[in-house]
Amino acid sequence: DIQMTQSPSSLSASVGDRVTITCRASQGIRSDLGWYQQKPGKAPKRLIYAASSLQSGVPSRFSGSGSGTEFTLTISSLQPEDFATYYCLQHDRYPPTFGQGTKVEIK
Amino acid sequence: EVQLVESGGGLVQPGGSLRLSCAASGFTFSSYWMTWVRQAPGKGLEWVANIKEDGSEKNYVDSVKGRFTISRDNAKKSVYLQMNSLRAEDTAVYYCVTVSLDYWGQGTQVTVSS
Repeated sequence: DIQMTQSPSSLSASVGDRVTITCRASQGIRSDLGWYQQKPGKAPKRLIYAASSLQSGVPSRFSGSGSGTEFTLTISSLQPEDFATYYCLQHDRYPPTFGQGTKVEIK
Repeated sequence: EVQLVESGGGLVQPGGSLRLSCAASGFTFSSYWMTWVRQAPGKGLEWVANIKEDGSEKNYVDSVKGRFTISRDNAKKSVYLQMNSLRAEDTAVYYCVTVSLDYWGQGTQVTVSS
């Protein structure tokens, strides 16, 4: 199975900060990666698909980049509603695998 | 309005069985792969299984192969997860998902405990 290593596992940031989360795949997955946001007690919501395409309705402060084995989710200016846990998901090979998550907390 | 509504979760003893159901509405169910994703308490997300539009292809994560079976009934706009030989490590919230459209259900809790 492809392992997705996400870093950091948690971070503390302030409103207005630029935040970067990284996902590294154990083998190349082209651009077959999505980024998800999950708030407590809620189902996840996709922010980015195909590594860098913004899901409809998602604010433009979210962006994704990368291909192959290294991927990044960037929040350009953190907003109060962005405090949540973020996951990457590769779907290049079966089984699809998630990163372990990054919890973004208020500083 | 798009809805995915899961049901069938509950408390079951180790070795027992449960059948989860997911009823879809608001989109053309028969045109999309359907997926089950689970989340153990306080843990991350885990992809469990998916099924092709016509049911002709099914895929499973290794940890459930031989124990879980995914199926669908397009006439009823429903997808199912038959879970046998349940283990404590299967305890999780199970989500029904249309990945390509990013539609998620609210989840159903499965607890395996004696």
